[in-house]
Amino acid sequence: GAGVSQSPSNKVTEKGKDVELRCDPISGHTALYWYRQSLGQGLEFLIYFQGNSAPDKSGLPSDRFSAERTGGSVSTLTIQRTQQEDSAVYLCASSPGMLSNQPQHFGDGTRLSIL
Amino acid sequence: EDQVTQSPEALRLQEGESSSLNCSYTVSGLRGLFWYRQDPGKGPEFLFTLYSAGEEKEKERLKATLTKKESFLHITAPKPEDSATYLCAVQGGSEKLVFGKGTKLTVNP
Repeated sequence: GAGVSQSPSNKVTEKGKDVELRCDPISGHTALYWYRQSLGQGLEFLIYFQGNSAPDKSGLPSDRFSAERTGGSVSTLTIQRTQQEDSAVYLCASSPGMLSNQPQHFGDGTRLSIL
Repeated sequence: EDQVTQSPEALRLQEGESSSLNCSYTVSGLRGLFWYRQDPGKGPEFLFTLYSAGEEKEKERLKATLTKKESFLHITAPKPEDSATYLCAVQGGSEKLVFGKGTKLTVNP
């Protein structure tokens, strides 16, 4: 399809394990964003990419969280030594990036559960 | 700090009963206010962008309006398929969106 694709759709892992979440943005979109949605909370910004660089990492909650983007396309969000409070839906969005106030288009997210 | 407050948290309507959802915001230099619809287990689906006070956008039974302090999403003669959580977000001085917690709308047949 032509939308933002995220994988896996669901991930269950044990506390202390590392996880990798993948995002494939809409073709041609240069801007990519990661958000987190916890139960009862609004969407919380994590990180923004323009091309392969990340000019805004201000939302990453701790140094256990990191993200990269290669080839100006696919992005991976990595959480090391997972904790139970990391359980949430992780959403990825992309936008054309040519004009910075264009709408962001979201994938369906990865639902992460930490046992 | 940019902030968004949505009300009510939940709203139950009968089919055909029109109503409005509110989004109050504070932001340094509004570059855009965005409305999204989110169905259970899905990501937010883009509805509208509003850029300046006085602007209005319409799509089917939905109409979004914007003032300097708030936005309204008016729903005219809603149908059960309009049931969803509606999210409001603002973009200020950075690229990120700041979201409210949403209004969960249920439309009963």
